Amino acid sequence: ETGVTQTPRHLVMGMTNKKSLKCEQHLGHNAMYWYKQSAKKPLELMFVYNFKEQTENNSVPSRFSPECPNSSHLFLHLHTLQPEDSALYLCASSQEGPGGSYHEQYFGPGTRLTVT
Amino acid sequence: QQQVKQSPQSLIVQKGGISIINCAYENTAFDYFPWYQQFPGKGPALLIAIRPDVSEKKEGRFTISFNKSAKQFSLHIMDSQPGDSATYFCAASIRAAGNKLTFGGGTRVLVKP
Repeated sequence: ETGVTQTPRHLVMGMTNKKSLKCEQHLGHNAMYWYKQSAKKPLELMFVYNFKEQTENNSVPSRFSPECPNSSHLFLHLHTLQPEDSALYLCASSQEGPGGSYHEQYFGPGTRLTVT
Repeated sequence: QQQVKQSPQSLIVQKGGISIINCAYENTAFDYFPWYQQFPGKGPALLIAIRPDVSEKKEGRFTISFNKSAKQFSLHIMDSQPGDSATYFCAASIRAAGNKLTFGGGTRVLVKP
């Protein structure tokens, strides 16, 4: 596997279900991100992890719960979602250094989530 | 303050033509402006990026023009090809605040053969 992989690619879940999205990066990066891509909104940053520590939670509802067990894996745990949470969820990674940087973010193909 | 506005939402251009996508921002602290290209079923991929100390950057058929005083930047795709048909996103970030990208709404480009 190369780059950033995401599983599953498609997920349909009811509002009472609990599911998890998985992201794995094979690039040796130290930062990972979750983004939400909806049809009618710009790509929205949800969470940022640097060196496995969460450094950003962009006012995301608690029904979305991220987990970063190591620098290569990132999960997004989902529970009691709403139909408006249906979207493409994208994971990305980058190599960050001290003092800020312009490092490229590499995106996975996304998980298409439908909440019924 | 963090918003990046992108236009047009969609664009149809003939093969060999020029595609032009514009973005405007409000936050003068932004100091990194990348453009991403996304094909159906794929995640966005970095196409080209510019910093505000440069007014233009060219890579192959893709050129970014940057106007700091107007707080605008644009992507020009020269000699557009059917393979360029994709959705293009502009973005902006503040280097000192970490690599947190604020994206524009996207432009769907269709290049007709």
